[in-house]
Amino acid sequence: EPEVTQTPSHQVTQMGQEVILRCVPISNHLYFYWYRQILGQKVEFLVSFYNNEISEKSEIFDDQFSVERPDGSNFTLKIRSTKLEDSAMYFCASSEAPRSAFFGPGTRLTVL
Amino acid sequence: QKEVEQNSGPLSVPEGAIASLNCTYSDRGSQSFFWYRQYSGKSPELIMSIYSNGDKEDGRFTAQLNKASQYVSLLIRDSQPSDSATYLCAVNSGGSNYKLTFGKGTLLTVNP
Repeated sequence: EPEVTQTPSHQVTQMGQEVILRCVPISNHLYFYWYRQILGQKVEFLVSFYNNEISEKSEIFDDQFSVERPDGSNFTLKIRSTKLEDSAMYFCASSEAPRSAFFGPGTRLTVL
Repeated sequence: QKEVEQNSGPLSVPEGAIASLNCTYSDRGSQSFFWYRQYSGKSPELIMSIYSNGDKEDGRFTAQLNKASQYVSLLIRDSQPSDSATYLCAVNSGGSNYKLTFGKGTLLTVNP
């Protein structure tokens, strides 16, 4: 069964450093998303991406965040200058159509 | 602020019993409703979607939607220890096709 993959599974970084989280969505899916989950809290929407542009973003997704689809398979989330509060699980998701989302296994980001 | 509320539990049921999980949402314009299962340390896994009032059955799972009461539920029949997980209710708010708003989840424990 096709699945969303994410790398790395765990990323440790120093405050102020840039990180790039990578995702390979399911191949026939057209809609891509990033969500995050701080330990013990709700899953929160960050951004959706369709047809090579952002279709919606949340208040969390400020100027420190950016997304890109650099080629036909990868989808990336960049955090320019990480803060302690960015420590969370980051989930990439994809779907054939809007509405639902199929999640990848996540990247645990730890900012020291 | 559009909210999705769930009883955090834990909900404990014996093996073979019916587990009933509930969710309310605040946005009357919501159109799409989902149940995800999340095992500890893992990503959310989509198990049910429902878009119109009434019941939708898939194997041991039944989702129920009542838009007038802004209420969604998930019934798990013949509960198994492997069903022990956190169940997340997610809603597409009326103004967005892309963004899922999640509840905090209900922790279900099925006792052998």
